[in-house]
Amino acid sequence: DTAVSQTPKYLVTQMGNDKSIKCEQNLGHDTMYWYKQDSKKFLKIMFSYNNKELIINETVPNRFSPKSPDKAHLNLHINSLELGDSAVYFCASSQARTWGAGETQYFGPGTRLLVL
Amino acid sequence: AQTVTQSQPEMSVQEAETVTLSCTYDTSESDYYLFWYKQPPSRQMILVIRQEAYKQQNATENRFSVNFQKAAKSFSLKISDSQLGDAAMYFCAYRSAKSSGDKLTFGTGTRLAVRP
Repeated sequence: DTAVSQTPKYLVTQMGNDKSIKCEQNLGHDTMYWYKQDSKKFLKIMFSYNNKELIINETVPNRFSPKSPDKAHLNLHINSLELGDSAVYFCASSQARTWGAGETQYFGPGTRLLVL
Repeated sequence: AQTVTQSQPEMSVQEAETVTLSCTYDTSESDYYLFWYKQPPSRQMILVIRQEAYKQQNATENRFSVNFQKAAKSFSLKISDSQLGDAAMYFCAYRSAKSSGDKLTFGTGTRLAVRP
C-alpha cells in the first residue's frame, strides 16, 4: 500500500564507491523528483522527471545520474561517492494534470546515505 | 529566484495550547502555491496543509490553519490544541505555478517541541 517507496532506507559505504537508490510510486503520477536533505535538515531539489523526461537538473555534480525506466520509477545512481554526499535523499511524486498545476508532492521515506 | 524564510529554528508549546509558526517568502510571481510539511523523527515528509495564492480564504485542515498574507508574503501555520504527536520539524515550501516552476523551494525548518 506504500505510495512512494525507496530502497534501501539506509546505505553505508566507502568513499569512491558507486551506489544506487531506487524509487517507485504506485500513485499513477507522471512526475517524480529527487531531493537532498543535508545535515542541517535543509531540503533542496536535485532532479525532476515528467513522463521519463528530465525536467529539472539543479546544478548537481554529474556524478549523480538519475534514470527513469518508466514513469513509476526514478532511480538515482551516484558515482565516486564523496564524504559530502552524506545526506538523506528523498524521492517524491506528483500528478501535474496541467503543467504548473501545483499538485501536491508525496514523499518517500527517505534514504540515509553515509559515506565513510 | 524564490526564497523561503523560517525565522524560528525552534519553538515550544504546552500540550493543548496553540502555537504559530512563521514563514515568509520572496517572489516576483503572482501565481504560486504554498505548503507546510511535517517531518517527525521517523523522517517521513507529511503534507500538513496547502494554499493556492489566488485564493483569499485561508486554508484549514482540522487543528491546522494558515494565515496567508499575500501582500506581506507571509504564510504562518497555526496549530490549535497541540498534541504530543505534533512534535516534529515543520517546513514551509513554495511552488511556482509557471511551467518551469515544478520544484518545491523549502525554508530551513522549525523544530516544534510539545511539552506534556
